[in-house]
Formats: sequence, C-alpha cells, structure tokens
Amino acid sequence: LAKTTQPISMDSYEGQEVNITCSHNNIATNDYITWYQQFPSQGPRFIIQGYKTKVTNEVASLFIPADRKSSTLSLPRVSLSDTAVYYCLVGDMKGGSNYQLIWGAGTKLIIKP
Amino acid sequence: DGGITQSPKYLFRKEGQNVTLSCEQNLNHDAMYWYRQDPGQGLRLIYYSQIVNDFQKGDIAEGYSVSREKKESFPLTVTSAQKNPTAFYLCASSPIAGGRDEQFFGPGTRLTVL
Repeated sequence: LAKTTQPISMDSYEGQEVNITCSHNNIATNDYITWYQQFPSQGPRFIIQGYKTKVTNEVASLFIPADRKSSTLSLPRVSLSDTAVYYCLVGDMKGGSNYQLIWGAGTKLIIKP
Repeated sequence: DGGITQSPKYLFRKEGQNVTLSCEQNLNHDAMYWYRQDPGQGLRLIYYSQIVNDFQKGDIAEGYSVSREKKESFPLTVTSAQKNPTAFYLCASSPIAGGRDEQFFGPGTRLTVL
C-alpha cells in the first residue's frame, strides 16, 4: 500500500519558483500521482497529474523520476494567491472494485511579498 | 454550470442525532466520494461509489452510511455511532473511479456537534 509523505510547510517569496516534493516509496505499478490545491474552507482543486517523467500544464510542472518513488510539484513564479495547502495523491488501484486513494497530509505553502 | 453542490454549508447537530449531508453532481460522473477533513489535516476517505446502487467503505466508514440510488446524488448520513463527528466533509466526483481521473470537489459542509 502506497503511503505519501510531504513537508508540513514551506514559505517563499513572490516571483520565485517553488518545488514541493512528495515521497511515495511503495507506489504500485498502476498508480497515478496527482496534486491538488486547497484554500481555507473550500474543496481541493486539481492542479496536475502524471505517471512518469515530466508533465507540464499552464499552471505547474510535475517531475517524476524513473523509480517513481517521489514526485515534485513545481510552481513557477509564485504570487500571493498561491498561498494554500498542496496535497499529493497516489491512486492505488488494486483492481476492480477494491482500491484506495492515498492522500498526503498536505504542505502549507506561504508566499511572502 | 456543471459542478458539485453540497448542502448545507454549515450544520449543527446535537449529540445522539443522525444527520444527512447532501451531495449532488451534474457532471454525469460515475464515481462519487465522501471525505472527512479535520483541522490542519489531510483528507480521509469515508465511502466511495463507482456506479449507481454500489458503494464501498473507505478508510473511516464506521459511524457513517451512504446510498447511491441516483447517478447524480450521493448523500452521507452521520449516525449517532460516530463518536467524533465534528469535521469538514467534502464530496467529490470523477468520471470513473480510481486514481487516474481528476476529482471534482464540492464546497464542503462543516458539521459541528453541540
């Protein structure tokens, strides 16, 4: 069963690139890695998803090494509005109707002016 | 607009009472989920449903019950057997069940037991 571990908190400054790493040593072959952003008292919002190598979209990049035991969410040129909690999710498909979704505890990112 | 709605936003309950949280989606998604979030913590899966009339227990199902009689609706009942029900409850849906699909979340219901 995959377990995800991520830093509790991080801080950075406006305009900087921020990298948040998630460790998932026991990731299974069929698992995908997904990152979500959550603001206080709101539901999480999808940021990016990947399986291996690198994925990029309009808001972030996701780097996954060949062994897939970790992943790094990269946020380019952050702004104050990026202050939020970021969650790593590993999908553990055990086949058919039996599966689990393993959420990390979240990384609280604080962006300073 | 397509999306997920949860009601009510805030809910207060006396100890020993059952309470039902509503979750509706118009995204035509097959899969729906209920999560619990405690202050400063991550999401824990309560129940999930892959298709109508089917649902499975998640990590913390004790004291909760669900039904999935319609594709668009997945209500969660917090029973009196749930010893510490005060929390933020999130409903989500995805096109199919599992970790490969983006989950779309509702705005959440904050339940407080008095």
